[in-house]
Amino acid sequence: DTAVSQTPKYLVTQMGNDKSIKCEQNLGHDTMYWYKQDSKKFLKIMFSYNNKELIINETVPNRFSPKSPDKAHLNLHINSLELGDSAVYFCASSKSGISYEQYFGPGTRLTVT
Amino acid sequence: QQQVKQSPQSLIVQKGGISIINCAYENTAFDYFPWYQQFPGKGPALLIAIRPDVSEKKEGRFTISFNKSAKQFSLHIMDSQPGDSATYFCAASSNSNSGYALNFGKGTSLLVTP
Repeated sequence: DTAVSQTPKYLVTQMGNDKSIKCEQNLGHDTMYWYKQDSKKFLKIMFSYNNKELIINETVPNRFSPKSPDKAHLNLHINSLELGDSAVYFCASSKSGISYEQYFGPGTRLTVT
Repeated sequence: QQQVKQSPQSLIVQKGGISIINCAYENTAFDYFPWYQQFPGKGPALLIAIRPDVSEKKEGRFTISFNKSAKQFSLHIMDSQPGDSATYFCAASSNSNSGYALNFGKGTSLLVTP
């Protein structure tokens, strides 16, 4: 059973397009995150959602918007894609409270041409 | 601004040796320090984590040493195996205004030679 899943695994698209990445977790967690891993493998937080509320919004372009239809899902929408958006995007989830343990999905490699 | 600094960037260790990766942080509000292991094409996997109320935590061949006064922590991999070859990330987090987001180090690429 996959704990945190993402679709698609690979996404190749042209500049200016709009795309979405989906994330689902079956761990019963109440907080979900999106991280971006750049070409140098640096991981940086983009967003997190707790009980459907955005609690982090780092300095990412407003072309990126997270959407959470329920606690188990956090999708990432990206408008007007740019070359610099090429990266691997990871979804993660955790249970708030005592444990901060975050579990990551397999990642989505986005290539913008 | 890099909140967690990690070194070395890369590390080569012979099979059976000890791999040591070091991290330092500045934010004294951090109260959770995990290590993640990432294989190529995979997501980061939680390896071991520590809180600042203890100085050491051991799980199998993996040990975290934590020095609160120096604001440093390290990962020791005993009896390193070729299967341990991966990228390792330290991170730090706190229950603050920024939620539980992990602040990652830049990663260490570990190669264990046979």
